Amino acid sequence: KAGVTQTPRYLIKTRGQQVTLSCSPISGHRSVSWYQQTPGQGLQFLFEYFSETQRNKGNFPGRFSGRQFSNSRSEMNVSTLELGDSALYLCASREIAGNEQFFGPGTRLTVL
Amino acid sequence: TQLLEQSPQFLSIQEGENLTVYCNSSSVFSSLQWYRQEPGEGPVLLVTVVTGGEVKKLKRLTFQFGDARKDSSLHITAAQPGDTGLYLCAGAWYHSNSGYALNFGKGTSLLVTP
Repeated sequence: KAGVTQTPRYLIKTRGQQVTLSCSPISGHRSVSWYQQTPGQGLQFLFEYFSETQRNKGNFPGRFSGRQFSNSRSEMNVSTLELGDSALYLCASREIAGNEQFFGPGTRLTVL
Repeated sequence: TQLLEQSPQFLSIQEGENLTVYCNSSSVFSSLQWYRQEPGEGPVLLVTVVTGGEVKKLKRLTFQFGDARKDSSLHITAAQPGDTGLYLCAGAWYHSNSGYALNFGKGTSLLVTP
């Protein structure tokens, strides 16, 4: 079974721009979560989606948003990029009844 | 947010030594997971512990969940250079509308030199 895939792997943007990141979960996994990882703050939860609905949200500003499609694939959007948004963005999937999350390789976003 | 404290933050040891990494919280978690992460990659799940007092072994790695389900430890016996990486503990909690999230510790960066 293929793992979680994320595209693109690397992205360079400038302040004020917006960005969209994509995630395809493991086949059969309907829950998709997003995390931000920075050297200073570590791994922080952004939000979780299943059945195309946001179920849970972390403590991030409204510039961070996401959505999920009927095939469970998910996208995450960050608008009006700031330098502090530079991070590794990780997507994770799980079975709805499961308590284990499996992570993708991440998208490295650099904001200049 | 339920905080998870991991210690030590950094660890540099020689091949063959033993080590223990600790993960502590004031909150109770429904389960706790340990991950290992290589630079530039996503975390890879090592183990999930669910029951208080549970001990799980994965080759040279031993994981223990505290009786009160607030703390956990990871012990590596006879460390090898291939064990080098960032070890992360994460407590799972469920939101009222069935949402789920992992709350991560800051991680322990382990370097094992030959």
